[in-house]
Amino acid sequence: DTGVSQDPRHKITKRGQNVTFRCDPISEHNRLYWYRQTLGQGPEFLTYFQNEAQLEKSRLLSDRFSAERPKGSFSTLEIQRTEQGDSAMYLCASSLTLGSNQETQYFGPGTRLLVL
Amino acid sequence: AQKITQTQPGMFVQEKEAVTLDCTYDTSDQSYGLFWYKQPSSGEMIFLIYQGSYDEQNATEGRYSLNFQKARKSANLVISASQLGDSAMYFCAMREGDFGNEKLTFGTGTRLTIIP
Repeated sequence: DTGVSQDPRHKITKRGQNVTFRCDPISEHNRLYWYRQTLGQGPEFLTYFQNEAQLEKSRLLSDRFSAERPKGSFSTLEIQRTEQGDSAMYLCASSLTLGSNQETQYFGPGTRLLVL
Repeated sequence: AQKITQTQPGMFVQEKEAVTLDCTYDTSDQSYGLFWYKQPSSGEMIFLIYQGSYDEQNATEGRYSLNFQKARKSANLVISASQLGDSAMYFCAMREGDFGNEKLTFGTGTRLTIIP
């Protein structure tokens, strides 16, 4: 399977704990995105990388959230001191730079987080 | 103002009938891209079809077509000959501009249920 993969698929944690999610993009894709999707809503942009550089962060990304893509391949998203409001589906997507709005983002299966 | 509006929270359609899912958008950019994604209950966002703002013809991909009416700022998805496997959430999304704005903005989605 050469699609975007995410691990874990599900995570249950207690409030105050730290969690880390991993995303492996499609191998030749140089851009990687993180989105968050809450129940009944569409995905909301969090951040994106071009190769290893983090080029944009949403205001949704509080200082408890940090994302890395150290070698321009896989990425991790860490949430520190989780809160119940962090419960959501975290989606990763990747794309190949085309320099136009036609660039299509391909999504992984998501990590569903539940904070108790 | 919402950038992407999907006014149909849910739709029920008989198998083999055609269905139109509505999407209107709001942007002041001349160059933008419109995307439709399908999200089954498993959670993965599946890319269906893309329409560029400068494309003169409506996009088609197999049973999917996009009814693009630029003056009305609408980008409705048409699914012909619906199948049971089409039951899912459908999201309309927009990417504005050519450069420097890489994120997708999503609507709230339409839940489509195909009735046998």
